[in-house]
Amino acid sequence: AQSVTQLDSHVSVSEGTPVLLRCNYSSSYSPSLFWYVQHPNKGLQLLLKYTSAATLVKGINGFEAEFKKSETSFHLTKPSAHMSDAAEYFCVVSDITNDMRFGAGTRLTVKP
Amino acid sequence: SQTIHQWPATLVQPVGSPLSLECTVEGTSNPNLYWYRQAAGRGLQLLFYSVGIGQISSEVPQNLSASRPQDRQFILSSKKLLLSDSGFYLCAWSAPDTQYFGPGTRLTVL
Repeated sequence: AQSVTQLDSHVSVSEGTPVLLRCNYSSSYSPSLFWYVQHPNKGLQLLLKYTSAATLVKGINGFEAEFKKSETSFHLTKPSAHMSDAAEYFCVVSDITNDMRFGAGTRLTVKP
Repeated sequence: SQTIHQWPATLVQPVGSPLSLECTVEGTSNPNLYWYRQAAGRGLQLLFYSVGIGQISSEVPQNLSASRPQDRQFILSSKKLLLSDSGFYLCAWSAPDTQYFGPGTRLTVL
């Protein structure tokens, strides 16, 4: 069985400072990994995905994530936070059977 | 192109009333289908998933049920809603390397 652990339920940063949202996964197969963002009262939007190509993945809105197999991690980063980045972020793992599992989510707060 | 529909978008129901949320997908065949719930202040919780018609797996015990009468139709139901059933319900389907999500249904149980 596969699973995802998002290590922080809440992260608070100041505008213009770096963002780090942590995600660790467990999978018996070579996984595909995703980050999604959910703004209040809205659906999920795909930020980026890793599917066994380059380990450093660039996504929308300046976000990127690095797949580290030795650490079973897929942390999401952004060099400079913007107020509009405030939202809930979900890390997702999917295996070759297309079964997907969500992390519990990390709420990002951006202070002015 | 792949599309996923959910309805209704919002719903307000009294405690004890029945529930039926529908999800349909387009642009694929034999997808894995999922129902998730997001309660206030909590992450996404997997409720049910289906790998084929009539095949439903339940992840958590609850007063909800799911059915898949057709390949691209997934229905979430309840005979009697509880206050704790309030939340945001998302339908999704997965394909190699990606997932698609519906717009969600916001359910308020009063």
